[in-house]
Amino acid sequence: GQNIDQPTEMTATEGAIVQINCTYQTSGFNGLFWYQQHAGEAPTFLSYNVLDGLEEKGRFSSFLSRSKGYSYLLLKELQMKDSASYLCAVRDSNYQLIWGAGTKLIIKP
Amino acid sequence: NAGVTQTPKFRVLKTGQSMTLLCAQDMNHEYMYWYRQDPGMGLRLIHYSVGEGTTAKGEVPDGYNVSRLKKQNFLLGLESAAPSQTSVYFCASSYSSSGGANTGELFFGEGSRLTVL
Repeated sequence: GQNIDQPTEMTATEGAIVQINCTYQTSGFNGLFWYQQHAGEAPTFLSYNVLDGLEEKGRFSSFLSRSKGYSYLLLKELQMKDSASYLCAVRDSNYQLIWGAGTKLIIKP
Repeated sequence: NAGVTQTPKFRVLKTGQSMTLLCAQDMNHEYMYWYRQDPGMGLRLIHYSVGEGTTAKGEVPDGYNVSRLKKQNFLLGLESAAPSQTSVYFCASSYSSSGGANTGELFFGEGSRLTVL
């Protein structure tokens, strides 16, 4: 079966750095996405990785290792507004998205 | 630019009642999707459409029907609502599933919270 694993919840301090991991087992691979979802709101696109390596976008970076079936989202200089759920999704060989259950990130002052 | 708009935002139904959720997008996207989101679970695909007049089943299609009569609209119908269909429903659209410089990222509506008693 296809599976995406991410931690259920993480806590970090304002101004610090946090890394949210995602491991996947899917039928094929055609890209990995990270989305941010604030409570009661819609998911919004953060990043996309299809080749191994690091993609940087401001305070957010996403890393991919296809051989290990592993990705992480790195958030730097955490702000209170970063409190949200972070969803990892993998596009499989049929170009269908497989979603993780999301990681709820709590930022403390 | 409104993006993806869903109506209604909230609805309470009794078991056995029917209803339709409407999704409209103004980005001229070919692909549209209906997902449900339940606590502790990832987004689950109900049905999707790769273009006007086409629909296909997703991971959890039972109890739902869809129609895509116009490119900009994607309707999700519940013919006989059940308590198990209590959920938050998200519509999404994308230019395509992937290709070229396009990542195939999804643009989501604000969600429709449905409660079935």
